[in-house]
Amino acid sequence: QVQLKESGPGLVQPSQTLSLTCTVSGLSLTSNSVSWIRQPPGKGLEWMGVIWSNGGTDYNSAIKSRLSISRDTSKSQVFLKMNSLQTEDTAMYFCARSDYWGQGVMVTVSS
Amino acid sequence: DVVLTQTPVSLLISLGGQASISCRSSQSLVHSNGNTYLHWYLQKPGQSPQLLIYQVSNRFSGIPDRFSGSGSGTDFTLKISRVEPEDLGVYYCLQRTHKWTFGGGTKLELK
Repeated sequence: QVQLKESGPGLVQPSQTLSLTCTVSGLSLTSNSVSWIRQPPGKGLEWMGVIWSNGGTDYNSAIKSRLSISRDTSKSQVFLKMNSLQTEDTAMYFCARSDYWGQGVMVTVSS
Repeated sequence: DVVLTQTPVSLLISLGGQASISCRSSQSLVHSNGNTYLHWYLQKPGQSPQLLIYQVSNRFSGIPDRFSGSGSGTDFTLKISRVEPEDLGVYYCLQRTHKWTFGGGTKLELK
């Protein structure tokens, strides 16, 4: 069955770069797109960006300058990198196809 | 960018009652391929969002027929009939016709 699982550091210092990995199973990245979504504590969902099946990417215009999404199809992994982190980037980070979501990984930005 | 306006922000419903949630888009969600990529999700506390309805009115696998979606163009509605305790949580609409955008969410609580 389709599964997605996020992994990465739970704590990042301000101004540093966040690196997250989404490992998928039950689907091929060359025929499926995967998005990253985040949710600050107690708030709503914010779409961050997508990597399409052809490897192209699209980003939320509000964070586009800080964000990069890439993949390694041989490892069935999608990567998120976001730089210049601030406390307001503290959130649960999810990867998802539109119908299946990972469990999320909590990232806290704090010194 | 597309803006999705969800109303109401919160709903108090009695068990067995009916709930209706509106999602309005700032632009038409009809894709150039003729499909309308407007979906509905439920996020229960401490969980990832789960897909309820995809492409306006199609129930996802395992979703009971108490959930129904309707609408077209820019105006969409999710109806939940015979509300049960497991229906409580926050409902989100998502459009993925023009990148992705989430609505602000509607919290369904028991009266």
